[in-house]
Amino acid sequence: GAGVSQSPSNKVTEKGKDVELRCDPISGHTALYWYRQSLGQGLEFLIYFQGNSAPDKSGLPSDRFSAERTGGSVSTLTIQRTQQEDSAVYLCASSLDTGRYGYTFGSGTRLTVV
Amino acid sequence: DQQVKQNSPSLSVQEGRISILNCDYTNSMFDYFLWYKKYPAEGPTFLISISSIKDKNEDGRFTVFLNKSAKHLSLHIVPSQPGDSAVYFCAASQTSGSRLTFGEGTQLTVNP
Repeated sequence: GAGVSQSPSNKVTEKGKDVELRCDPISGHTALYWYRQSLGQGLEFLIYFQGNSAPDKSGLPSDRFSAERTGGSVSTLTIQRTQQEDSAVYLCASSLDTGRYGYTFGSGTRLTVV
Repeated sequence: DQQVKQNSPSLSVQEGRISILNCDYTNSMFDYFLWYKKYPAEGPTFLISISSIKDKNEDGRFTVFLNKSAKHLSLHIVPSQPGDSAVYFCAASQTSGSRLTFGEGTQLTVNP
């Protein structure tokens, strides 16, 4: 597609349930990033995929969070046993190369844990 | 450790006046800086950037200034328009890095 596509756009889940968030990057973009924005906070880095290299998971806040990128394209961010503090907007971005010159964001998934 | 800081959570200006958004950073390895703009329910969109070899970059109504010695950059919007009302994020990257580090954002409101 023309842009970065994320689904669902909104997700309400009960505390303790698992959720999966999907990101479809721009075709041909080798780098893919997940960030999140909690209420009143900035953009917090979560994980970064670049080509076939091992992902940079240094931003994942706990072992309840995991992500994969299949076939170098679509990525899924999984949060297990969700907690209320996981409520945030989860943003995916992609770029042609390392991304240090900027990347294109999707519209995000607003996750609410009740 | 907040390496990129935007100390003003909000800024309100009158239409036609200048908006100045500020950003400070602590990591001296940062050598490329960007500003993103975000409307509600949308992802951030790239606005303007500057390399550390420059101290100013201009694009239409938007100018970014970089003061390396002070580790400070600013975004000037002139004249400000109501459609500029959004959250503005400052971001930074380094040569050896592979991602952007963002500030907390500043909500700009331009009043008609």
